[in-house]
Amino acid sequence: AQRVTQPEKLLSVFKGAPVELKCNYSYSGSPELFWYVQYSRQRLQLLLRHISRESIKGFTADLNKGETSFHLKKPFAQEEDSAMYYCALSGLNTDKLIFGTGTRLQVFP
Amino acid sequence: GAGVSQSPSNKVTEKGKDVELRCDPISGHTALYWYRQSLGQGLEFLIYFQGNSAPDKSGLPSDRFSAERTGGSVSTLTIQRTQQEDSAVYLCASSLIPRGGGEQFFGPGTRLTVL
Repeated sequence: AQRVTQPEKLLSVFKGAPVELKCNYSYSGSPELFWYVQYSRQRLQLLLRHISRESIKGFTADLNKGETSFHLKKPFAQEEDSAMYYCALSGLNTDKLIFGTGTRLQVFP
Repeated sequence: GAGVSQSPSNKVTEKGKDVELRCDPISGHTALYWYRQSLGQGLEFLIYFQGNSAPDKSGLPSDRFSAERTGGSVSTLTIQRTQQEDSAVYLCASSLIPRGGGEQFFGPGTRLTVL
């Protein structure tokens, strides 16, 4: 079965602390993995995707096929990073996204 | 340019009534998706339109739900005989590049409340 698991509903850190939002997936095949973010009163938007291997707003995510994980990391959290983060996957033959339940990141000053 | 738009932004209805939710995708985007965001369930895929291909309806929760896309642009999601468990935010998204890796652009959503 296709599934995305985000074990933490809420992650609270202080400004400047490292952040890791966990994401594990279950998929038979080679999925495409994404992180989407929803800031307060804004639309859901793409943060990064594993095929791009890029760093966006200081965030990076590495696909670990052995551990079926795609954790999102940032070495120094900022207050403006406070948002809801969703991990998602799609398959090679379909673009529909399977989302995790999301993790709310709170960064305190 | 304009992003994905959805209407209405809020809809309150009584149990048993039918509702129609509208989505205007970004011009030129060939793929259109509907998702549902509800408390405790996260974001669930509902239906996916890609060009002239038959839609992927695998996420529709019951036969009370249907959607159409006219002229390859505007889409309408219809929920018949609404139930309280249909209360959720319904999100529409569109993308330009099919077959994986394409960024999906989301609308602001329609918040549906079934009393």
